[in-house]
Amino acid sequence: KAGVTQTPRYLIKTRGQQVTLSCSPISGHRSVSWYQQTPGQGLQFLFEYFSETQRNKGNFPGRFSGRQFSNSRSEMNVSTLELGDSALYLCASSRGGGVNTEAFFGQGTRLTVV
Amino acid sequence: AQSVTQPDIHITVSEGASLELRCNYSYGATPYLFWYVQSPGQGLQLLLKYFSGDTLVQGIKGFEAEFKRSQSSFNLRKPSVHWSDAAEYFCAVAPSYNTDKLIFGTGTRLQVFP
Repeated sequence: KAGVTQTPRYLIKTRGQQVTLSCSPISGHRSVSWYQQTPGQGLQFLFEYFSETQRNKGNFPGRFSGRQFSNSRSEMNVSTLELGDSALYLCASSRGGGVNTEAFFGQGTRLTVV
Repeated sequence: AQSVTQPDIHITVSEGASLELRCNYSYGATPYLFWYVQSPGQGLQLLLKYFSGDTLVQGIKGFEAEFKRSQSSFNLRKPSVHWSDAAEYFCAVAPSYNTDKLIFGTGTRLQVFP
């Protein structure tokens, strides 16, 4: 079956712009989580959505937002981009049963802010 | 707050040698612990997880990990490393049962020499 699909794979944006990243979970999965991966900070949790509701939120500024649609697809948005937002953004999907259900990761979207 | 420490940033081993990657966690109750692997340009793949029970956990690709509560450790081991094991390895803890949120360590990059 198809894995977690993230689009686009690569993105270059200019400081001050906004960006929207998309994540299509595995069919039947209702939970989507987002992570930011940078060389300096490692993997940091952004947010988690389950059945269109935000279940958890990490410690990121309000410029980072997300949502989940009724088909479980999720988007995250970053407004007023800063150079420090350059990172690999990973999403993971699961059936939503918490730690007892395995989360599967996509290949990520590499965002470069110039 | 829960945290995970991976003391070794980079480890180099020869193919066929044994491997141990260290992970220490800080958590008050019984932790939910994971090991993930990330190959270059890829997302994360779950190697194994520990919730309770037998403290020696078997995973995929010949990996195992041992939970030691007295040392707050969850070290990953493999008896004989293959060149294809070269990747970055992440230890993670889930702060609660009913969430997909993971707190990751900073990762250990494994290099394998022939």
